[in-house]
Parts: sequence; C-alpha cells; structure tokens
Amino acid sequence: ILNVEQSPQSLHVQEGDSTNFTCSFPSSNFYALHWYRWETAKSPEALFVMTLNGDEKKKGRISATLNTKEGYSYLYIKGSQPEDSATYLCAFMQGSSNTGKLIFGQGTTLQVKP
Amino acid sequence: GAVVSQHPSRVICKSGTSVKIECRSLDFQATTMFWYRQFPKQSLMLMATSNEGSKATYEQGVEKDKFLINHASLTLSTLTVTSAHPEDSSFYICSARSTSGGGDTQYFGPGTRLTVL
Repeated sequence: ILNVEQSPQSLHVQEGDSTNFTCSFPSSNFYALHWYRWETAKSPEALFVMTLNGDEKKKGRISATLNTKEGYSYLYIKGSQPEDSATYLCAFMQGSSNTGKLIFGQGTTLQVKP
Repeated sequence: GAVVSQHPSRVICKSGTSVKIECRSLDFQATTMFWYRQFPKQSLMLMATSNEGSKATYEQGVEKDKFLINHASLTLSTLTVTSAHPEDSSFYICSARSTSGGGDTQYFGPGTRLTVL
C-alpha cells in the first residue's frame, strides 16, 4: 500500500511568519509530486508539479523543493498572509506507465492570524 | 486558467434512490477524468479513472455497479451513485487531466456533498 504522509496536520501562525510543511512519499518508482492549495468551498488549486530530484519551484511567496531519493518534499510560505489560510495537499504520482493516478496525503491545514 | 465545474454542489436524497453528479471541463478537453471520495478527516481517495469513449477503470474495493461512470464527451464525465444508502454519504470530487504544453496537471471541480437519509 502506497502511503503519502503530510506533517504537521495543522498549523497556526501569525501574519508575517514564514512556515513550511513536509510531504513524505515512497522513494521507489517515482514519477511526479503535485502540490495543491485548497480553500474552503473552492476547488483545489494546482500549485506545483515537480518531477526532477533537486527541483525547486516558486510561485510568489510560495516555494517547494523535492528530494526523490529520500522521498520528501517541502513547501515553504514566506511572510504568511491571512489569505494563505487553506489546506495544502501533496499528491504522489507513481510509475513509468503514467496512468495519471494521484495518491494524496491528508493535507496540512494552515491558519494565518492577522 | 483551466476550470472544472461540478454539479450539484450539494444533494440530499432518500435511501434507495440514485444520484447523478456531473463533472465538466469548461475551457479544455480532457480524455481522462478522475473521481475521488473524501471521508471526514481523511485524504482524497481515488475511486476510478474515467476515460472518454471507453470503460472506466475502478480502484480496488470500489463497486463498479454501485458507482456508474460515463465519459461520453471530452468535456463531461458523470458519476451515478445507484441505490444510495447512508454509508454512501460523503464528499465526491472530480478532476480533469490536462497534458497540454508538455505538462501533466489535474484540475479539480469544487466537489459534491452527498447526504443519504
């Protein structure tokens, strides 16, 4: 059974704080790692698709790194704002056959206090 | 950006009835769509892969006769929960796969909350 773990489960920070979360995934047969941002009552929004070991991607104040050999990815938010409050999901895509199937972690719920 | 709609957003039905949920890609074509289910405090669990013009592929433990999937066009997939029972109450969410521009991303609908009485 493939397991994708995210930590912490939830996080409360003050506006302006920088924060980071972890996604752990199987290190074998890696194809891609996706990050999504999911606000309440909205659709999950694709943030990053990461494929190469050592990849580092950035979107505004949010960035992510990838280590496929040890099976983890970090998501960083610099200078958190209240609008960053959401659940952040990572999803692992396995295999060379590229079925497109994603295996999701449980998410990290971030609450940014003004 | 790529937009996926899902309808209805919320449905309450009586036990034994069937419920149809629609998933549409509004501004792109998707040969592959996915259906997920989320129980409280759990992750999104893949139920099935919906392929345009062919049969859906179901994940282990998902009853294909219970959860009927039809992907009749490149922009629409439907999930029908047949003879729904209270244990089918859950949050159902779809995604549409886009491989345009060399990428491979899934765009999600907003989900459907199903309550079976």
